[in-house]
Amino acid sequence: KNQVEQSPQSLIILEGKNCTLQCNYTVSPFSNLRWYKQDTGRGPVSLTIMTFSENTKSNGRYTATLDADTKQSSLHITASQLSDSASYICVVSASGGGADGLTFGKGTHLIIQP
Amino acid sequence: DTGVSQNPRHKITKRGQNVTFRCDPISEHNRLYWYRQTLGQGPEFLTYFQNEAQLEKSRLLSDRFSAERPKGSFSTLEIQRTEQGDSAMYLCASSFGGATEAFFGQGTRLTVV
Repeated sequence: KNQVEQSPQSLIILEGKNCTLQCNYTVSPFSNLRWYKQDTGRGPVSLTIMTFSENTKSNGRYTATLDADTKQSSLHITASQLSDSASYICVVSASGGGADGLTFGKGTHLIIQP
Repeated sequence: DTGVSQNPRHKITKRGQNVTFRCDPISEHNRLYWYRQTLGQGPEFLTYFQNEAQLEKSRLLSDRFSAERPKGSFSTLEIQRTEQGDSAMYLCASSFGGATEAFFGQGTRLTVV
């Protein structure tokens, strides 16, 4: 069964500090991996999408890594800001199409404290 | 705004009533997805359409739930005889094809009292 596990479940850090969120997956055959940011009460917004051949991808202060061999991804946030407080959801897509090919993690709830 | 639009944003209904939500996807997107999200959980797949055809349904989609996309553009999700367990955020997403990025709407928050 395709699964996506995220850790930690929740994280509290001080403004300005860096943090790294983890995503482990067992999805086959792998197509791509996406990180979404979801503010409370709003829909998820895409941060990055990575294919099999991509190891690192940056979007401003967000840097995602992908190790397709170990089936792990991380999202590193640099110089955190209060607006980074949100849930970060890892989503892995299986090739072959079909919406069930999108497997969602439960998310990491990140709180940035001033 | 050319993103995915969902209406209403919030809905409070009494148990046993029927509710209907609407999703307007990004215009050139042929795929439309419905998800349900409860507090502290990631979105759970309900169903998806390719154009007007409903191609997959999750086991979560009981016979009280029905979704349509009559002209391959907007979609509606109806819940009949609502139960308190139906209280959740209902998210709609659209994409062009399956492996490309999916864009989400802001969701409809349903509260069944």
